[in-house]
Amino acid sequence: QSALTQPASVSASPGQSITISCTGTSSDVGAYNHVSWYQQKPDKAPKLIIYDVSKRPSGVSSRFSGSKSGNTASLTISGLQAEDEADYYCSSYARKTPFIFGSGTKVTVL
Amino acid sequence: EVQLVESGGGLVQPGGSLRLSCAASGFSFSDYVMHWVRQVPGKGPVWVSRISHDEIISYEESVKGRFTISRDNAKNTLYLQMNSLRAEDTAVYYCTRDLEYKIDYWGQGTLVTVSS
Repeated sequence: QSALTQPASVSASPGQSITISCTGTSSDVGAYNHVSWYQQKPDKAPKLIIYDVSKRPSGVSSRFSGSKSGNTASLTISGLQAEDEADYYCSSYARKTPFIFGSGTKVTVL
Repeated sequence: EVQLVESGGGLVQPGGSLRLSCAASGFSFSDYVMHWVRQVPGKGPVWVSRISHDEIISYEESVKGRFTISRDNAKNTLYLQMNSLRAEDTAVYYCTRDLEYKIDYWGQGTLVTVSS
């Protein structure tokens, strides 16, 4: 099963907002409201920041928000900060495999 | 505090074997579905294998017949026996916890390098 499609990179200045897309199919993103987003900093494990499309785990900043339309999910980071510079991966529950992950998006804070 | 600590990675020749372990603490290990997920540096994670609390097991297609997942609930430990290793198995392997259709905790990862 192919990875979910994400843009390779997104960049913006501090204080701006960015949106990262995650495109799947009717067998994964489009079929279930179980889309998660992870933040990964260099040489660290991924950290859960959004689950079930738009829910935030305790302790995650409200600057992170998620949404979904059809086969595409999105992560928005508002009020971008230097500490948000990282790789971001989406993930979806899928029909043929418990989890399918995205190709990853590198966020650069200019 | 939930902790997942992997061990057992290293350099192995093609065709060789390794056994990864994951020591879990800070939660009731026996109640949770656990997964192994691997990631080639610079690439997205890839799901490898899953074991439920009642030991229902599944594998990603490319590792079927070569990898075996298991758990010892008395020792709070998850395992991944990897045989017939190939160069394409080279990756960081993460032990992860499943909570209702999401992975909520990841270990720090252990690097497996398959090379002659």
